[in-house]
Formats: sequence, structure tokens, C-alpha cells
Amino acid sequence: GDSVTQTEGLVTVTEGLPVKLNCTYQTTYLTIAFFWYVQYLNEAPQVLLKSSTDNKRTEHQGFHATLHKSSSSFHLQKSSAQLSDSALYYCALRVASSSFSKLVFGQGTSLSVVP
Amino acid sequence: GPKVLQIPSHQIIDMGQMVTLNCDPVSNHLYFYWYKQILGQQMEFLVNFYNGKVMEKSKLFKDQFSVERPDGSYFTLKIQPTALEDSAVYFCASSFSGGDYEQYFGPGTRLTVL
Repeated sequence: GDSVTQTEGLVTVTEGLPVKLNCTYQTTYLTIAFFWYVQYLNEAPQVLLKSSTDNKRTEHQGFHATLHKSSSSFHLQKSSAQLSDSALYYCALRVASSSFSKLVFGQGTSLSVVP
Repeated sequence: GPKVLQIPSHQIIDMGQMVTLNCDPVSNHLYFYWYKQILGQQMEFLVNFYNGKVMEKSKLFKDQFSVERPDGSYFTLKIQPTALEDSAVYFCASSFSGGDYEQYFGPGTRLTVL
């Protein structure tokens, strides 16, 4: 079946340093889209980035990710982490059947940015 | 951005009781979803719903589960009867269309079955 793997449960990084959150996937679908959701404490998950184009960099709010179908990856990166980036990050794969879709989530990575 | 609301935020009930989780989706959205997240695990798809019907459900959507959206009001998830393994956070989501539109999530309802 379809699956998304986030290898780190917790990432701690010092403010101002780069951060990378890993995401790999397995799917049998050909037409797919990928998302990074961010969830701040006691809030709803919200889309941070999305992409469906191979080898194209997507950026938002200082974060960037590039879908690499050759390696089945969609890692999230930021060159300089901020304290406000501390949150839970989910990588998700959208698969569709006819006109309906569902999201397949990774386990989530908790990012803690410390001074 | 668009907001999805979920009521209540927490619910504690005894095993065997019925529970209804309520979702107030984005006003012009037509497609609705429930996801389940057991503590320490990933969010998993339960069901999607459109035009008064369940379109797709996962193996987690047991016979004790049902969904409806009567008269365009709340989109609800009912569990009757509840079991210990139903303890989880339940996230509601909605989207304008089915295939290529972003799903907007609510903050979740934490259900504890004792």
C-alpha cells in the first residue's frame, strides 16, 4: 500500500542554523501530489508547501522542498531556523481514486528551535 | 485562511457509550473527511463523504462508525458503541472539490474511552 516515512520523531536545532526534515514515500499511483503540513500547538494542521512536479523547488515562508521521484523523497529544508518554527511537521501524499482523494501521512516530526 | 471548527475539543466517555464528534466545515466546501490519529502514530484516513454519501472508507472505519451531514449543518462522526481502541484524536477536513483541491483541517477532537 501507500506509505510515507518521516525518520525523525524529534529534531532540535539552534536558532539561525539550517534544518532539514526527511520524508520518503512509497506509492503505486502515477498522478500524485505532496504536502508538508505544519501544526502549531493546539491548532489545526495547515499546508506549508505542496508540489506535484518532479525536480521543481517549492518555497513558502522561508521553507523549501523539492520532489524527487527518482529517490521517492520530498525533504523539507530551511536555511535559518527561527524560534517561531517550533511545531509539528507532517509530510503527506495525496492519492486519488476517480475524483476523490485522501491523504497519507507520515508519523510527523516535532521541530524544536532553541536559542 | 478558511477555518474548520471541531466540537468538542476533548471528550471522555465510558466504553460502550455512543459519542458524536462534530465538524463545522468551510462554508462553500462540498467534500468532507475524517482522519484518526492514535497517540504517537500518524494520522490515518477514515472516510470521505460527498453529496450525502460515503464515497470511500478505510479498514479503520468499523461498522460501529457512521457519518452524516443532516441539512447542511455539522458533519458528524458517530461511534456506537465505543471501544477502548477508539481513543484517539479525530481530525475533520473539508475541500471545495474532490480531486485536486486542498483539504483544510480542524484542530481535532481528542476522544478518550475509559
